[in-house]
Amino acid sequence: DSGVTQTPKHLITATGQRVTLRCSPRSGDLSVYWYQQSLDQGLQFLIQYYNGEERAKGNILERFSAQQFPDLHSELNLSSLELGDSALYFCASSGGLAGADTQYFGPGTRLTVL
Amino acid sequence: QKEVEQDPGPLSVPEGAIVSLNCTYSNSAFQYFMWYRQYSRKGPELLMYTYSSGNKEDGRFTAQVDKSSKYISLFIRDSQPSDSATYLCAMTPGGSYIPTFGRGTSLIVHP
Repeated sequence: DSGVTQTPKHLITATGQRVTLRCSPRSGDLSVYWYQQSLDQGLQFLIQYYNGEERAKGNILERFSAQQFPDLHSELNLSSLELGDSALYFCASSGGLAGADTQYFGPGTRLTVL
Repeated sequence: QKEVEQDPGPLSVPEGAIVSLNCTYSNSAFQYFMWYRQYSRKGPELLMYTYSSGNKEDGRFTAQVDKSSKYISLFIRDSQPSDSATYLCAMTPGGSYIPTFGRGTSLIVHP
């Protein structure tokens, strides 16, 4: 158990809908990272937050947004969902801002868009 | 060409074999190299973490980095069925921790 929790484990929804994925980092970790993992694209970095502020953006679509709250949990919002958004979404956390640091991954949320 | 290339496999070996997993990369700025293990329907778990070139050993696992060839390897000795998983390499330049991941190699160790 990495100490990172994600809810829900599974999510099934329809195209055009909006969903929210939730992540609680390890105790004491200030950084939260969101990743998308699909069969054809592998593990892709979406966005990083550090202590409530956005720090880095990767291949995140404009339909997707995230935030980190004062208690350090984070939410990833996915809107106007398309079939291609079906994937595993992982949250990871780490203690530091930059440099050599270790990311601990949560168990993931499996999103299925029908 | 992707920044990090990794053969997806599957790689099937008998129990007790020595396994070699590899990644090549194109970005010479990468300085930190990691290997993650991911079991089916689970999140990636950090196995090994190395800085720059050289070898690092941890139990049955050895990570090797050759920056001159832009090539990294993970060796697993005395492989066990419990090692069956997908192994992802990841790497990052110094100064930030946004790793670039390989696609992962599926390893199957059969009894």
